[in-house]
Amino acid sequence: GAVVSQHPSWVICKSGTSVKIECRSLDFQATTMFWYRQFPKQSLMLMATSNEGSKATYEQGVEKDKFLINHASLTLSTLTVTSAHPEDSSFYICSARGLAGGNTGELFFGEGSRLTVL
Amino acid sequence: AQSVTQPDIHITVSEGASLELRCNYSYGATPYLFWYVQSPGQGLQLLLKYFSGDTLVQGIKGFEAEFKRSQSSFNLRKPSVHWSDAAEYFCAVARNQAGTALIFGKGTTLSVSS
Repeated sequence: GAVVSQHPSWVICKSGTSVKIECRSLDFQATTMFWYRQFPKQSLMLMATSNEGSKATYEQGVEKDKFLINHASLTLSTLTVTSAHPEDSSFYICSARGLAGGNTGELFFGEGSRLTVL
Repeated sequence: AQSVTQPDIHITVSEGASLELRCNYSYGATPYLFWYVQSPGQGLQLLLKYFSGDTLVQGIKGFEAEFKRSQSSFNLRKPSVHWSDAAEYFCAVARNQAGTALIFGKGTTLSVSS
């Protein structure tokens, strides 16, 4: 099946710094990528929908200036957590839908990136 | 708005016993439904999905799920659980059509006892 890769898989940073997480579709072109956030023992909460070449659509309650999303190419979307604080510590997961996905709903998930803000 | 409810937070099953994980959804039209499994610290793996057609869906690893419109349910089943099945299981519904963002349930943690 298609592969979505996230990098880094684990990152620790100091409070106030910015962290970038990459999401790549390795063997297909992804027109749409989704970013989710998962707190410990919780479900995945959709943060934003990212379409290649256009601005991301953020879910209600998600600060777009804090969580910057860029989908510059058909194989790469990035999530930048700006001025990170301890409450931003979480597991961030991306998913991607390919050009050939059509209406089959074939979404592929990355392995996730765990962010710890000290 | 669409929503997914997984009533059981944690289930323990003996190895070799059968398993059923419950999922109820709220959706106005024909839903697109999914079951994913997540191992500790890992991403999500799709077990199976339902879009239309046969209401009994076969998935990977011996799992199956049955769509019951009258009960707004999409329960996951496995006839004989293996210790490697211990993980977190998420039921999800597509927001408005297949291929769009997914709305997830809170998940059910499955423990397997020997």
